[in-house]
Amino acid sequence: DIVMTQSPDSLAVSLGERATINCKSSQSVLYSSKNKNSLVWYQQKPGQPPKLLIYWASTRESGVPDRFSGSGSGTDFTLTISSLQAEDVAVYYCQQYYDTPPTFGQGTKVEIK
Amino acid sequence: EVQLVQSGAEVKKPGESLKISCKGSGYTFTSYWIGWVRQMPGKGLEWMGIIYPGDSDTRYSPSFQGQVTISADKSITTAYLQWSSLKASDTAMYYCARLPPDYWNYVAYWGQGTLVTVSS
Repeated sequence: DIVMTQSPDSLAVSLGERATINCKSSQSVLYSSKNKNSLVWYQQKPGQPPKLLIYWASTRESGVPDRFSGSGSGTDFTLTISSLQAEDVAVYYCQQYYDTPPTFGQGTKVEIK
Repeated sequence: EVQLVQSGAEVKKPGESLKISCKGSGYTFTSYWIGWVRQMPGKGLEWMGIIYPGDSDTRYSPSFQGQVTISADKSITTAYLQWSSLKASDTAMYYCARLPPDYWNYVAYWGQGTLVTVSS
């Protein structure tokens, strides 16, 4: 299985500041025939199911605010929240879909400082 | 609007059987893979398996193969997750998950979750 490792496990950011979450895969998730990386980001708020934010590593899902952005390629990926809002308090997960079974990172908890 | 509505919370004893459900609406049920994701208390997400309701093709993650059964009834646009003999370690939230088009293994839509508690 591909192992997904997120860092940090948690972070506290002031309102309006940038939050950066990293995700590293144990092998490349670059889907060569599409030249795209098979990686998604989800947001899970307390007591709610996860919500899809970003797919193909950098494509924002419809309706997701543009303060959320994804970047990276190969084995190293980043989710950036450019200006943290109170409603962004949540746990964020990366997941690879390059190989089966699909595997998730352990999650990163984002809080307000 | 795509909706996945799951059955309610369950409290069971070890050794009992259980079948939970997920009703899909707002899309063509037979044209999209649908599956299940486990979240144990205070823990992360685990992919259990998926089914294509159009032909009942089913794919399990190795960790869950033989532990659960995934099925679907396309006549009532409902997917199921069942256990024949529950264990305390099956205590978790279980999310129904619909994939995007073209069999990419990520979740485009989530159900609200079904909490399963197994305790003697």
